[in-house]
Amino acid sequence: GAGVSQSPRYKVAKRGQDVALRCDPISGHVSLFWYQQALGQGPEFLTYFQNEAQLDKSGLPSDRFFAERPEGSVSTLKIQRTQQEDSAVYLCASSLLFRGGYTEAFFGQGTRLTVV
Amino acid sequence: DAKTTQPTSMDCAEGRAANLPCNHSTISGNEYVYWYRQIHSQGPQYIIHGLKNNETNEMASLIITEDRKSSTLILPHATLRDTAVYYCIVRGTGGGNKLTFGTGTQLKVEL
Repeated sequence: GAGVSQSPRYKVAKRGQDVALRCDPISGHVSLFWYQQALGQGPEFLTYFQNEAQLDKSGLPSDRFFAERPEGSVSTLKIQRTQQEDSAVYLCASSLLFRGGYTEAFFGQGTRLTVV
Repeated sequence: DAKTTQPTSMDCAEGRAANLPCNHSTISGNEYVYWYRQIHSQGPQYIIHGLKNNETNEMASLIITEDRKSSTLILPHATLRDTAVYYCIVRGTGGGNKLTFGTGTQLKVEL
């Protein structure tokens, strides 16, 4: 595909349920990011991968959040024992390797998670 | 990365220029100014970026003041499809390309 693809687009989870959100980045993009966007707020950084290496996970809000990118392409964001405060849109972005200048980040449409 | 301040919302008539301001008074010498926008139910989309010179591309123009403490994004002929939240982001060359969004400006383009 031409852009970043995320699935599912919408997910409703019961509180306490585990969820997995998928991101297919643009082919050849080394860098991959996950962001969380609460209603009415701007996106907030969660974690960053360079190929399969998770170089920054400083934004993950708790140890219930886990991300992986085992083969340096598709990434999965997993949330264990979901809570109501996890309800948000989860955005994935990819880019070419950042080399100290600017590298445009391309975003997917996001997955809207609602925890009930 | 330097913090930015933007108006919460703005209105613009279709066909007129939309001028979106951003204050970044604590910006340092190696930090760039970036603009992204987010149309409802979509992911953010890159618009333009600059360091100290004014920049123009097919989407918009970016005017940065000489002291670099503020900037203005200009959409020269706004259309209804430009209705979106516009984010002004200031960041340096480190940090792995991580973007720090604020709450942005909700631009509403009306007939």
